[in-house]
Amino acid sequence: GDSVTQMEGPVTLSEEAFLTINCTYTATGYPSLFWYVQYPGEGLQLLLKATKADDKGSNKGFEATYRKETTSFHLEKGSVQVSDSAVYFCALDGSSNTGKLIFGQGTTLQVKP
Amino acid sequence: EAEVAQSPRYKITEKSQAVAFWCDPISGHATLYWYRQILGQGPELLVQFQDESVVDDSQLPKDRFSAERLKGVDSTLKIQPAELGDSAMYLCASSAASGRTDTQYFGPGTRLTVL
Repeated sequence: GDSVTQMEGPVTLSEEAFLTINCTYTATGYPSLFWYVQYPGEGLQLLLKATKADDKGSNKGFEATYRKETTSFHLEKGSVQVSDSAVYFCALDGSSNTGKLIFGQGTTLQVKP
Repeated sequence: EAEVAQSPRYKITEKSQAVAFWCDPISGHATLYWYRQILGQGPELLVQFQDESVVDDSQLPKDRFSAERLKGVDSTLKIQPAELGDSAMYLCASSAASGRTDTQYFGPGTRLTVL
């Protein structure tokens, strides 16, 4: 079945460091791919998405490119801030085509001043 | 900005008791989702509604869980009886439709602890 695998956390970085969080997926067909972010005590917020191969999603300085050949959707940011500390979830909409999201296990990012 | 509302935010109950969670989606959103998020894991879909109809409840433990959305607006998720393994965050989300490009908006969640 469809699945998402993220890199293990926690990831600890200093402010202004470069961020990469790896995400790979297994799916039949052509899923849409998403990154959600969960700040402490809050619900999930959509960070960015891509709906077809080679699309790049971007928001708030974060970027991710839909790579069909490597089945990946890695999240990157050039310079992280303390306020980026959160849990990041990679997700895809499953082959059922009903909008159902399948999430990875989440990666905790901690940014230190 | 419109938000998905959930209550209560926290619930502590004892094993074998009944619990209920409430969700009010963004106004006009036809599709409503209930997810369960176990600590350290990603959310997993329990049930999806399109208006008042269930679209997907394949992962809902139907012997103890039930969900309804009677008028196609707000929704209630019930657990009876609660078990220790039900301790988790229960998230509600809504979207305008169920298409692949429709963004799901999540509420703050209800954190359930079963003692």
